[in-house]
Amino acid sequence: QVQLQESGPGLVKPSQTLSLTCTVSGGSISSGGYYWSWIRQHPGKGLEWIGFIYYSGSTNYNPSLKSRVSISVDTSKNQFSLKLSSVTAADTAVYYCVRDSSGYGGYFDYWGQGTLVTVSS
Amino acid sequence: DIQMTQSPSSLSASVGDRVTITCRASQSISSYLNWYQQKPGKAPKLLIYAASSLQSGVPSKFSGSGSGTDFTLTISSLQPEDFATYYCQQSYRTPSTFGQGTRLEIK
Repeated sequence: QVQLQESGPGLVKPSQTLSLTCTVSGGSISSGGYYWSWIRQHPGKGLEWIGFIYYSGSTNYNPSLKSRVSISVDTSKNQFSLKLSSVTAADTAVYYCVRDSSGYGGYFDYWGQGTLVTVSS
Repeated sequence: DIQMTQSPSSLSASVGDRVTITCRASQSISSYLNWYQQKPGKAPKLLIYAASSLQSGVPSKFSGSGSGTDFTLTISSLQPEDFATYYCQQSYRTPSTFGQGTRLEIK
């Protein structure tokens, strides 16, 4: 059973960089075949796809966030990470790390429990 | 971006009812449409993928249909645990986008 777990600061100051890590267990990122995504949900709102990464390091980002987002992978630790720069209060959300069945034309089949990140001074 | 519009935004129903939620895409997405259930404080859970395929472990009371721009999720014989928010999601083109959600409440 694949499990994902987000970790990182729950409070980030405006203009700083939000950094989160997702640790995957029960499956190896480097085995390929799956993409690894970040999705966020503003409080009481809907879901927004941030981007994904493949084990090779290939990425695809939501154009609405592309200038501020970076997703990286560390296959030796079976982790992938999100960095979002120049954050504002509008970036306050629950952030989920998610397994994507195929990146293009797939579906999100395993989700982390989510971590709330608040942007505030 | 492809816009996904769900209707209704909220729905009241009784235990034992059958309900249908609709999702419309702003352009054709073939069958690249997935449905999720989310309960308060929890991550979304995949129910249906590729418009009509039931995810492993999901009860057959959930069914999906449609292709192109119009899709439906049907839940039969509602039970208390089915009252939640449901989202559709297109994976035809990046960025992947979600509907705004349909909140299913107990009448």
